[in-house]
Amino acid sequence: EVQLVQSGAEVKKPGESLRISCKGSGYSFTSYWISWVRQMPGKGLEWMGRIDPSDSYTNYSPSFQGHVTISADKSISTAYLQWSSLKASDTAMYYCARGYSGDAFDIWGQGTMVTVSS
Amino acid sequence: DIQMTQSPSSVSASVGDRVTITCRASQGISSWLAWYQQKPGKAPKLLIYAASSLQSGVPSRFSGSGSGTDFTLTISSLQPEDFATYYCQQANSFLGVTFGPGTKVDIK
Repeated sequence: EVQLVQSGAEVKKPGESLRISCKGSGYSFTSYWISWVRQMPGKGLEWMGRIDPSDSYTNYSPSFQGHVTISADKSISTAYLQWSSLKASDTAMYYCARGYSGDAFDIWGQGTMVTVSS
Repeated sequence: DIQMTQSPSSVSASVGDRVTITCRASQGISSWLAWYQQKPGKAPKLLIYAASSLQSGVPSRFSGSGSGTDFTLTISSLQPEDFATYYCQQANSFLGVTFGPGTKVDIK
């Protein structure tokens, strides 16, 4: 079965760092880009950026450039999204998704809820 | 970035109704358009890619059309499991991937 499995929910304090993960299985991980998508509570979908796992080349949305880092370890078929200093406004559900036919996303992870609160 | 708009923002409909959702891009995007369905507490699900290609496993009552700046998602006969929020997406990251604000389809 082709799937993306994300790491579990996180509760953090402002200023803390965090890395969440997305593990692909059932397909060639290096053959498809992985994107990250944010959904704030009760809001719509926002594309954050993507990575080519074959060479770790990244593209970021201007809205997220410099605020997060996307990386990947192809040896374990895992992509990551990380923050060096979280803010309360980072509280959201984060999804990873596989790029298909351009950047249509055919496989999605189950989501990782990140809560940032003092 | 290209801006995506959707109309209506919400629609109330009955089982069996034909529902049409419109998506407009702020500039031409050829056929780089996808549609997703999202139910509460769940990840989005790809319905349509390349504006009109039906994703594998998606019922044929869903269809997409359009190119350039104007696109449409049609549900030919609404089923109980179709009550959800629908998003369009500009699907070319070199143009900056963006989603529309969503259209909520609920029960009349």
